[in-house]
Amino acid sequence: GEDVEQSLFLSVREGDSSVINCTYTDSSSTYLYWYKQEPGAGLQLLTYIFSNMDMKQDQRLTVLLNKKDKHLSLRIADTQTGDSAIYFCAESMPTGNQFYFGTGTSLTVIP
Amino acid sequence: EAGVAQSPRYKIIEKRQSVAFWCNPISGHATLYWYQQILGQGPKLLIQFQNNGVVDDSQLPKDRFSAERLKGVDSTLKIQPAKLEDSAVYLCASSLSGRVGFFGPGTRLTVL
Repeated sequence: GEDVEQSLFLSVREGDSSVINCTYTDSSSTYLYWYKQEPGAGLQLLTYIFSNMDMKQDQRLTVLLNKKDKHLSLRIADTQTGDSAIYFCAESMPTGNQFYFGTGTSLTVIP
Repeated sequence: EAGVAQSPRYKIIEKRQSVAFWCNPISGHATLYWYQQILGQGPKLLIQFQNNGVVDDSQLPKDRFSAERLKGVDSTLKIQPAKLEDSAVYLCASSLSGRVGFFGPGTRLTVL
């Protein structure tokens, strides 16, 4: 449950959609999360999905989960400059309730 | 609902000195976590409490790090003595049932 991988950087133009990807290795994950971290700040929970779901939508955010490929993605529609931050995916296990984080994807939104 | 509180926000010390961080979780959250986030990396779990008991401290460098949560609410994390490689952001998080973790703003430690 500790091998969570993300691409390091993503750059998009303001108004476009952003897609941030994450792969994980432990199929026993119960919940998968997306956190946002702005410079000098803590982690802000954006959204989470239970492992038996395929998709969750929350305003501009869409989470897709492909359990077969152990792939999680976060789509941000109409990306704004305020969305520039580092995005972490994380998983939690059914035992221990621990959260394991990826390395983070730095999203840069170009005006 | 108040979030997770941490203090201090910033701390600069010299190597071999001691330092302590404080965390007040969200009211009613039984699970409390301390994470270390080194620049450019994701957070790494140091210790997890369930009420006042330790659930997992396998990644805690016990020769220099200690943590306690005596009354099952607030927690302190101590480093004694600090090393240069301890420079990081120390994040506290709490969770009601282990499903969702809410994080504090973190304490940025610089060891000179």
